[in-house]
Amino acid sequence: GNSVTQMEGPVTLSEEAFLTINCTYTATGYPSLFWYVQYPGEGLQLLLKATKADDKGSNKGFEATYRKETTSFHLEKGSVQVSDSAVYFCALILQTGANNLFFGTGTRLTVIP
Amino acid sequence: EPEVTQTPSHQVTQMGQEVILRCVPISNHLYFYWYRQILGQKVEFLVSFYNNEISEKSEIFDDQFSVERPDGSNFTLKIRSTKLEDSAMYFCASRTTSDTGELFFGEGSRLTVL
Repeated sequence: GNSVTQMEGPVTLSEEAFLTINCTYTATGYPSLFWYVQYPGEGLQLLLKATKADDKGSNKGFEATYRKETTSFHLEKGSVQVSDSAVYFCALILQTGANNLFFGTGTRLTVIP
Repeated sequence: EPEVTQTPSHQVTQMGQEVILRCVPISNHLYFYWYRQILGQKVEFLVSFYNNEISEKSEIFDDQFSVERPDGSNFTLKIRSTKLEDSAMYFCASRTTSDTGELFFGEGSRLTVL
């Protein structure tokens, strides 16, 4: 089947620390991979995406590389800010048909000053 | 910038009542979705809709749930007889036919069943 396994949280970091949130996937076809972010009290927003192997998605200082050999899409940021505090969801969608988005369980990140 | 809009933002209802959540997807999108997120839990797929019919649904989407696209713009989720465990944030999403498959989400409708 199709699934996403995401690093358990919560994660608490000091400002300017390095962030990694691990994500691995299982897919029956060829997926596109996403990281969505949910800030407190808000809906889901796309943070970054990658649609093929070795693609690197990046946005707001966050990066993730589509690794087909390890079926991974780990999220990284070199220096987190308090404003990055949110819940981060790894997700995949198969690239054919109207298939739905499969989400990981989400990782809550809290950045302290 | 086009966006998915959802109404109401918050609804409180009594157990057993019918609820309709409304969504206006982005105008040129063809695939529509409902997801839900029970407080503190993961985002769960409910149903996808394409070409005026359900294309996929999860085991959560039982006979108490239905979806409809009554006109060219709205996409609704109806819960026929709400239960306490239906309390959740419900997200509508839409996408185009592009291969990247990015979904655009609304801000959600919070349903509280008392």
